[in-house]
Amino acid sequence: ETGVTQTPRHLVMGMTNKKSLKCEQHLGHNAMYWYKQSAKKPLELMFVYNFKEQTENNSVPSRFSPECPNSSHLFLHLHTLQPEDSALYLCASSQDTGWTEAFFGQGTRLTVV
Amino acid sequence: GENVEQHPSTLSVQEGDSAVIKCTYSDSASNYFPWYKQELGKRPQLIIDIRSNVGEKKDQRIAVTLNKTAKHFSLHITETQPEDSAVYFCAASANDYKLSFGAGTTVTVRA
Repeated sequence: ETGVTQTPRHLVMGMTNKKSLKCEQHLGHNAMYWYKQSAKKPLELMFVYNFKEQTENNSVPSRFSPECPNSSHLFLHLHTLQPEDSALYLCASSQDTGWTEAFFGQGTRLTVV
Repeated sequence: GENVEQHPSTLSVQEGDSAVIKCTYSDSASNYFPWYKQELGKRPQLIIDIRSNVGEKKDQRIAVTLNKTAKHFSLHITETQPEDSAVYFCAASANDYKLSFGAGTTVTVRA
């Protein structure tokens, strides 16, 4: 167990639904990340938070809305998604930004119908 | 931005043989190169990393080499075992937190 927990593990939602993904880490890390993993594609960095402040938005559509209320929790709010948004969404944390190991959660498998 | 290419996309090896995965990167400022292993249904986990001040690093059966001039780095797994079957991702970073990942290599070790 690496200390990064994501819920739910699986989510099926319609295109008009609103849902949220949750990530929690108790490693004392200061940086948290959202990645998207699609089949046969590189891991795509979506958002970066450092000390609760968003430091990176990698041209992500506004239908994805992150929230970081504290250094231990990270949310990804979803609304009006498209079928092509179906993917594995991975949360990760690291001690700080820079050359430190990223610890990943097990991901949320999202299916948009 | 950084572009990391990884080859091959799939690799099948006989148990006991070696496996080699190669990655190239585009940003000459990149100086941190980690490798992650993702077993089926599990999260990616760091297995080895190398920084630009060294050309090679070894940890038991895995090793990574870096050629900064050519902007490529490789993962070598010797004496492969069934538990080495997984997807392997290379990544590169240039003095910041932005890890750019390759597309992954699915390694299958045949018994």
